Formats: sequence, C-alpha cells, structure tokens
Amino acid sequence: NAGVTQTPKFQVLKTGQSMTLQCAQDMNHNSMYWYRQDPGMGLRLIYYSASEGTTDKGEVPNGYNVSRLNKREFSLRLESAAPSQTSVYFCASSGLTEAFFGQGTRLTVV
Amino acid sequence: AQRVTQPEKLLSVFKGAPVELKCNYSYSGSPELFWYVQYSRQRLQLLLRHISRESIKGFTADLNKGETSFHLKKPFAQEEDSAMYYCALRALGNEKLTFGTGTRLTIIP
Repeated sequence: NAGVTQTPKFQVLKTGQSMTLQCAQDMNHNSMYWYRQDPGMGLRLIYYSASEGTTDKGEVPNGYNVSRLNKREFSLRLESAAPSQTSVYFCASSGLTEAFFGQGTRLTVV
Repeated sequence: AQRVTQPEKLLSVFKGAPVELKCNYSYSGSPELFWYVQYSRQRLQLLLRHISRESIKGFTADLNKGETSFHLKKPFAQEEDSAMYYCALRALGNEKLTFGTGTRLTIIP
C-alpha cells in the first residue's frame, strides 16, 4: 500500500520557470490537499479538493494552479516560479478516518 | 468556519519535565480533533485522535468542549519527542481537515 506518493522529491528552478508537482493516492479518498511548509510558518494550505473536478483556494493560492482530473491524482503547478515559492510542499489526502501525507517536495527557486 | 489555533510556535522543555502543547479551536458543531507529528525530515503522521481516547508514545489529549481546547500532554518528556506538532480539526461526517500552524517542540537533554 503506497499511500500518498509525491514527485519529485527535490527540484531547483530558475526564476520564471514552470513546473508541476505530482501527487497520487491509492486509498480512494475524496479529499486531497496541497500545503507548503516554511520555517516558523508551519503548514499553510495552498489548495484543497473535495472531489474529482472540484478545487478550492486555501490560505496562500497566489502563484499556483491545481488540477484534479481524477480521484487519485492532484497536481500543483507553478506557472512562473519566484524565489518566494522556495519551500517544502506536501500533498495529503483524507477520508473519514485520518489524513495521509506524502514525503514532501523540497523546491528551491533561484 | 473552522479554525485551529496553536499559540506557541516554539516550545522548549527539559528532558523529564512535563510537556503541554496547546490547541484551541473554533467550530460551532461537533468536531473531531487530531494531533499530527512530524519528526525531522519525515512526513507528517497521525499521533492520536480524541475519539480513540488512547495514549500514544506517552502522549494524551482530552477534548474540552467548554474551553474549545485539545491540549497535548506528556508527563515526562523524552529527547525523541523533539518534533513539529500539528493540531487538526474536522467536522463530524466531513472529510476536510483544518490544521493549526504547528508547534516546534525541542527537548533539552
């Protein structure tokens, strides 16, 4: 049982470049999340998806787009990366019991 | 609206001393409360939930509806307790979890 799988684990981008972070879960959960984690800031919700085809902005959505094309996958896209988006990104999914997190993506924008 | 507040960003405690990480919430209905833990360079994982009323790694948490709190406690801190702790809330029957901003606990040897 893989749980929540995120790719890539590490990424370095130049300012202005774009990239997509991939997330997939195999637990048949409806809810999926993207968070960023910064020192001293804890977890901050970027986007939330309650089900396939639906997404809601979280606390810090600016500069990001998401796509929930099916129940398993929830991707996060940075269209034009900025140094302020240097962070560790976590994907998560939850059902009616608990949430499960991916291992994180450490993104550096130079 | 659901909201979870963890008033302490940082907490340092000596080994063997009691630990209490504070969590307050605002929600008008019946909540489910959780504590998640993130050890260094690991993914977040569930520590305990109020429904199960169990003690995990010596930690307990009691839901106080009158004070809208769900503080995490341990009588004797151990060095391996150093980690980031997040309190989370979910409305009963709803899948969406709302997390607090977290408390970094450091146990001083």
